[in-house]
Amino acid sequence: EAGVAQSPRYKIIEKRQSVAFWCNPISGHATLYWYQQILGQGPKLLIQFQNNGVVDDSQLPKDRFSAERLKGVDSTLKIQPAKLEDSAVYLCASRRSGTQFEAFFGQGTRLTVV
Amino acid sequence: KQEVTQIPAALSVPEGENLVLNCSFTDSAIYNLQWFRQDPGKGLTSLLLIQSSQREQTSGRLNASLDKSSGRSTLYIAASQPGDSATYLCAVREVGQNFVFGPGTRLSVLP
Repeated sequence: EAGVAQSPRYKIIEKRQSVAFWCNPISGHATLYWYQQILGQGPKLLIQFQNNGVVDDSQLPKDRFSAERLKGVDSTLKIQPAKLEDSAVYLCASRRSGTQFEAFFGQGTRLTVV
Repeated sequence: KQEVTQIPAALSVPEGENLVLNCSFTDSAIYNLQWFRQDPGKGLTSLLLIQSSQREQTSGRLNASLDKSSGRSTLYIAASQPGDSATYLCAVREVGQNFVFGPGTRLSVLP
C-alpha cells in the first residue's frame, strides 16, 4: 500500500511571497489532515477534511492560509503572504473513516521563510 | 480544551536498557491514543494505536498501555537499540475526531 505523498520536500521563500503544498493521501482514505509542526513542538492541526468537505478549520489562519480538496482525493495547502513565523514542517495525514482506524503521515514539507 | 504533555522531554540511555515514556492528557473523552515515532527531518511513523476500550497494545519490543480514567499512557521499549533513537510523540483522538499531539520525548540510545 502506497503511503501519503507530499511535495515539495523542502521550500525556501522570502516573506510576503506565496507558497503551495500538495498532498496525495492513501487510496480509500476519506479523512485528510494538514498539520503544522514548529521545531521542537508537536504537530498542530490546521484543517481536517472528510472527503471534499471541511470538518474543522478552527485553527487555520484564514487571512493567509487556505486549503482545498476539490475531488475528495488530493489536497493543496496555500500560504499567501508568508510570514517568518510560518517557518515549519507541514504534515499531511490520512485515515479511513471510522473511529478505530489509525492515521498515516507523509514525510512533510519543510518551509523556511527568510 | 484537550492538553497533552509528555515526560521526560529528553532521555538518554545506554543500549540494552528497558525504558518508559509517559504521556498525559487532560480530557478522558477520547476515541483512541496513537504513539508515533519521528526521525529528524522526517514525517511521523505510526507505532501503536490503542482504542479507548483497550488497556494495552504490543508490537515487537514496544508495549503501550492506556489508563483513560487517569488520563495516562505509557510506551515501554524493551532492550533499547541505537536505531530506536528518535522523537516519540503521543496523540489523542478526541470525540470531534481530531488528533491532539504532545510535544514529544527525544530519545537517544547510546551504543
